[in-house]
Amino acid sequence: GQNIDQPTEMTATEGAIVQINCTYQTSGFNGLFWYQQHAGEAPTFLSYNVLDGLEEKGRFSSFLSRSKGYSYLLLKELQMKDSASYLCAVRGSNTGKLIFGQGTTLQVKP
Amino acid sequence: GAVVSQHPSWVICKSGTSVKIECRSLDFQATTMFWYRQFPKQSLMLMATSNEGSKATYEQGVEKDKFLINHASLTLSTLTVTSAHPEDSSFYICSARGAWTQETQYFGPGTRLLVL
Repeated sequence: GQNIDQPTEMTATEGAIVQINCTYQTSGFNGLFWYQQHAGEAPTFLSYNVLDGLEEKGRFSSFLSRSKGYSYLLLKELQMKDSASYLCAVRGSNTGKLIFGQGTTLQVKP
Repeated sequence: GAVVSQHPSWVICKSGTSVKIECRSLDFQATTMFWYRQFPKQSLMLMATSNEGSKATYEQGVEKDKFLINHASLTLSTLTVTSAHPEDSSFYICSARGAWTQETQYFGPGTRLLVL
């Protein structure tokens, strides 16, 4: 079966660092994506990992370990506008379809 | 680059009517488009995958006769909700992927449907 797990909610302080974890069990693997979604809006692409290791893009970094079925999204220097849901999605190896986790709602407090 | 638009952004209709939602890739050719549905405080659920010029592939549990998908060109896909009922009220989001976007899907802004 397909299963993607993320924490439901997280809270962090403005200026701090937060790590959002994602574990997955899928039939086939061809990449893991992180999206940001503000309430009432569509998801926006943040990062893509297909090989093990860390991908850094400004304040956002994403890590993947395929052997452990594990990824995390790291947000540095948190800003109030980072309050949103963060969706972890895995693409199967043959179909190209993305399977989404439930999403992690991050609240950034002053 | 990689902009996807949807129209309309929101629609209110009476029960029993049909609603058509358009999804366009504005600056790239979308060889594959995906339609998702999202209920409040839930994640995205894939409804169907469509490749240009061929029939859509529907996910288990999604009625293909109720949710008609057409992907007639490399920049346009449409989703028609036929005989809509209140339980069809949801946030419908399309995404598109093309050779130019490599492996990434880009999402449209979504269409909020309310069936009265």
